[in-house]
Amino acid sequence: GAGVSQTPSNKVTEKGKYVELRCDPISGHTALYWYRQSLGQGPEFLIYFQGTGAADDSGLPNDRFFAVRPEGSVSTLKIQRTERGDSAVYLCASSLTGGARTTGELFFGEGSRLTVL
Amino acid sequence: DQQVKQNSPSLSVQEGRISILNCDYTNSMFDYFLWYKKYPAEGPTFLISISSIKDKNEDGRFTVFLNKSAKHLSLHIVPSQPGDSAVYFCAASWAGNNRKLIWGLGTSLAVNP
Repeated sequence: GAGVSQTPSNKVTEKGKYVELRCDPISGHTALYWYRQSLGQGPEFLIYFQGTGAADDSGLPNDRFFAVRPEGSVSTLKIQRTERGDSAVYLCASSLTGGARTTGELFFGEGSRLTVL
Repeated sequence: DQQVKQNSPSLSVQEGRISILNCDYTNSMFDYFLWYKKYPAEGPTFLISISSIKDKNEDGRFTVFLNKSAKHLSLHIVPSQPGDSAVYFCAASWAGNNRKLIWGLGTSLAVNP
């Protein structure tokens, strides 16, 4: 597709379970970002990939959160031992190159809504 | 501590009139500012940006004004259209880490026909 694709669009899980969220960026975009948006809040930065490597993971809240991008395209955000506070919309974005100043800025997917019961 | 503040959670405007959305920031290191628009169940879409070396940037019906001394920026939409009804987010970044956007809480704009 032409845009950033995220799956699943909705995920309901139980406290303590493991969850994977997938992001398929726009073809040719080297930079990929994960953000998290809780109810009533603005998006919060989690991690940024340039190619295959995590260039900045300073936004990951704790070691239960991990993300990979093994071939420099699709990325997976992994959350272990989920907690109710992890409930949020997880947004993925991509851009041609890194940074907010590049042409076209960040293109966001529709998000994956995670609900932890 | 909210570094980017949008103090108006909502705004209602009549179609054809001007919409003014405001944003304040506290971190003087921010040097690039962006506005994103978000419809329900969709991801944010980029609207317009401004560098700190400018005080105004215009794109069609959308104009962003930056007042660095006041650490304040505003988005003007003229004329407002019903399709502009959405949540508008202000975001900022700084040269030291321009990959990480810091976002406000958003302002929900309703343009009434």
